Amino acid sequence: GENVEQHPSTLSVQEGDSAVIKCTYSDSASNYFPWYKQELGKGPQLIIDIRSNVGEKKDQRIAVTLNKTAKHFSLHITETQPEDSAVYFCAASKRTGQNFVFGPGTRLSVLP
Amino acid sequence: DAGVTQSPTHLIKTRGQQVTLRCSPKSGHDTVSWYQQALGQGPQFIFQYYEEEERQRGNFPDRFSGHQFPNYSSELNVNALLLGDSALYLCASSLWAGAPDTQYFGPGTRLTVL
Repeated sequence: GENVEQHPSTLSVQEGDSAVIKCTYSDSASNYFPWYKQELGKGPQLIIDIRSNVGEKKDQRIAVTLNKTAKHFSLHITETQPEDSAVYFCAASKRTGQNFVFGPGTRLSVLP
Repeated sequence: DAGVTQSPTHLIKTRGQQVTLRCSPKSGHDTVSWYQQALGQGPQFIFQYYEEEERQRGNFPDRFSGHQFPNYSSELNVNALLLGDSALYLCASSLWAGAPDTQYFGPGTRLTVL
């Protein structure tokens, strides 16, 4: 089955700097890759997603890139703010409506 | 627009007992998926319901069962609770025939098994 790895497990950056989180997946049939942000005591919140027919997608300070050949995708956060501090999860799924396989998460801390 | 809601928020049970968790999907959604999130880990897929039928199932024993109602809400039942069932249980809703794969999560139910 699908396996998703995520690095780093923890990341600390200074406010205003950029943060990058990388994920790799094993199943070349996967075609949808969402990113979720989870704050303490809350459920995961979708922040951005990308499909396999697109190489890059951007939404204000957040961007995601996908390399299908290498089977990896990355989350980029620019101009980080303290409120960006949370656990970030990547996920992969194969078909429309199918379940997600999540990575183990990255704890991001933005230091003021 | 109401998002995904779950009840209860917290629950404490003892080993061997049974528990029922509830989920109401986001307005307009017809598909509900359940995930288990152990402390410090990513969510793991339990099963998915659409049109009141279980459509997919992850690697969870038969002690985990579910139901979907005509109004698209859903229940997760766990029998014969084990200590290892302690986790955050997340419900996610989506539209089966809509924007593919986009799932929105509820706040979760924290289950503690003593």
